[in-house]
Amino acid sequence: AQSVTQLGSHVSVSEGALVLLRCNYSSSVPPYLFWYVQYPNQGLQLLLKYTSAATLVKGINGFEAEFKKSETSFHLTKPSAHMSDAAEYFCAVSDRTGGYQKVTFGTGTKLQVIP
Amino acid sequence: NAGVTQTPKFQVLKTGQSMTLQCAQDMNHEYMSWYRQDPGMGLRLIHYSVGAGITDQGEVPNGYNVSRSTTEDFPLRLLSAAPSQTSVYFCASRPTSGSNTQYFGPGTRLTVL
Repeated sequence: AQSVTQLGSHVSVSEGALVLLRCNYSSSVPPYLFWYVQYPNQGLQLLLKYTSAATLVKGINGFEAEFKKSETSFHLTKPSAHMSDAAEYFCAVSDRTGGYQKVTFGTGTKLQVIP
Repeated sequence: NAGVTQTPKFQVLKTGQSMTLQCAQDMNHEYMSWYRQDPGMGLRLIHYSVGAGITDQGEVPNGYNVSRSTTEDFPLRLLSAAPSQTSVYFCASRPTSGSNTQYFGPGTRLTVL
């Protein structure tokens, strides 16, 4: 069964500093991988996804993530944090084959940006 | 396109009451899902549907019921509400083909007293 581990339920960074949110996955076959963002009192929206076309994936709002098969990781980064990046971020994984491919979410990381 | 819509936004119930959370999508997606979000636990799948008339259980289905009579609508029923069902509920939809990207509704915040 697939699973996702997000290291750190809360991460604080200063405005302008590097953002690094960690995600490790477990899957028997190369999966689809996602990062979703949730702003306060809103639903989740897709930030970026890995589908095998390229290992370095660029998303919205300056975020990117790199798929590293050897490390089973898909960490999310942004070179310079903005106040508007404060939100909760979820990593997710799903299989590529079979019937209904369930999407499994991590427990989330809340990002605080300090002015 | 309204995308995925959910009603109500907020609801307070007493233990034992029943209610239906509504979800609708206008993107003609075959797949629809219900999740609950609890602090520190991420999103957990309650029920899902792969098309009209076809539903199945997720990882936390107890106490919930679903049906799918049309492609657009996927209501979630709480049969007899319990305090453990206090949570934020999200409906999501996605197409059958592609990379499993899901589209989420804005959520329903439910409190059971």
